[in-house]
Amino acid sequence: KNEVEQSPQNLTAQEGEFITINCSYSVGISALHWLQQHPGGGIVSLFMLSSGKKKHGRLIATINIQEKHSSLHITASHPRDSAVYICAVSNYGGSQGNLIFGKGTKLSVKP
Amino acid sequence: GAVVSQHPSWVICKSGTSVKIECRSLDFQATTMFWYRQFPKQSLMLMATSNEGSKATYEQGVEKDKFLINHASLTLSTLTVTSAHPEDSSFYICSARDSTGANYGYTFGSGTRLTVV
Repeated sequence: KNEVEQSPQNLTAQEGEFITINCSYSVGISALHWLQQHPGGGIVSLFMLSSGKKKHGRLIATINIQEKHSSLHITASHPRDSAVYICAVSNYGGSQGNLIFGKGTKLSVKP
Repeated sequence: GAVVSQHPSWVICKSGTSVKIECRSLDFQATTMFWYRQFPKQSLMLMATSNEGSKATYEQGVEKDKFLINHASLTLSTLTVTSAHPEDSSFYICSARDSTGANYGYTFGSGTRLTVV
């Protein structure tokens, strides 16, 4: 079993839909990260959170430490949101703070 | 915000040659840099962790003599793929942790797509 599990693996939505991507982890963490990887490969860090909820524009990330679960929500989705969304956790007790990655969720938003 | 500049963004080289990839932190001190490779439709795989001024720590199965990492300054780390083979063709990406910042955030380079022919 992977230490970081994401679901769904693939997601297709119509423009305007509300989207949720889930992430569960099985290790102790210092923080959880949501990353966005575009087709060209570049990665952008969307959120880093260790508790509660963060919001940035149409993106919302939540984390429940007790349940070891996080969700990334996209409101009013748009084709430009199409990308791979990756959940990662950091454990500073581990390899000098390396990230442990989920396998990613490929999101495709249709116009 | 924090920026990591990675160059080149893509490179094609002949088998047997060496390729150097650079990652620079532009507005913060990156005491730790992580180097990853990513095969198509797969997640990032950590290759090595480099700390400024010391030898890199390589993950199991990664040949340190083939993937040379140098982190000579707080703003520059390089990965050199030596004697490249077609199976080294992959997407390589670095990330840096801003250990001076309040949030210990990670910033990623834009990646380098290496094709060995």
